[in-house]
Amino acid sequence: EAQVTQNPRYLITVTGKKLTVTCSQNMNHEYMSWYRQDPGLGLRQIYYSMNVEVTDKGDVPEGYKVSRKEKRNFPLILESPSPNQTSLYFCASSLSGTGSGYEQYFGPGTRLTVT
Amino acid sequence: KQEVTQIPAALSVPEGENLVLNCSFTDSAIYNLQWFRQDPGKGLTSLLLIQSSQREQTSGRLNASLDKSSGRSTLYIAASQPGDSATYLCAVKGGYQKVTFGIGTKLQVIP
Repeated sequence: EAQVTQNPRYLITVTGKKLTVTCSQNMNHEYMSWYRQDPGLGLRQIYYSMNVEVTDKGDVPEGYKVSRKEKRNFPLILESPSPNQTSLYFCASSLSGTGSGYEQYFGPGTRLTVT
Repeated sequence: KQEVTQIPAALSVPEGENLVLNCSFTDSAIYNLQWFRQDPGKGLTSLLLIQSSQREQTSGRLNASLDKSSGRSTLYIAASQPGDSATYLCAVKGGYQKVTFGIGTKLQVIP
């Protein structure tokens, strides 16, 4: 089944403890992206990757890191999480980042709570 | 910076009614616009994608239009059903492949 998977689905952690949220897609997609969703603010793009080894900042990259060493994986790293990073996180992918005809497919989300 | 606005923020209609959801964006230099639905506590389900060169797309009871020059898109839902109750989001892909979402319209269809 074609899908985007995220792990973990739920995570409660403490301030400053490094964590990684994994994202994987099995559709051979070039473009991958991370978003966070907050009440009243909607979904905001954190980072995106046009293809392997190419990443770029979205609108809210502060406090996050990403890496794209393989086409299928795009982990989101929080080196020193803070309470304001408590949010619902979504990973998404599309066949290509260039061009206009490629829709994004979303993972199920990761609910992160930082205390 | 691209800004995306969705009006209304919430909408309640009786079953069977036709309805229109609106999405507006400030920068008309876009690649595409995508409509999603999101059920409570769930992920996003893609409904329709309209490329910048297209005027509309249809899927079943859904029809989305795009007027790039005026920065507007509408999602038309025909013969609404209780199962259509969800939050509807529009997302614009613009310069540098960045994606900007609206906050959404929360739809309730009353049986």
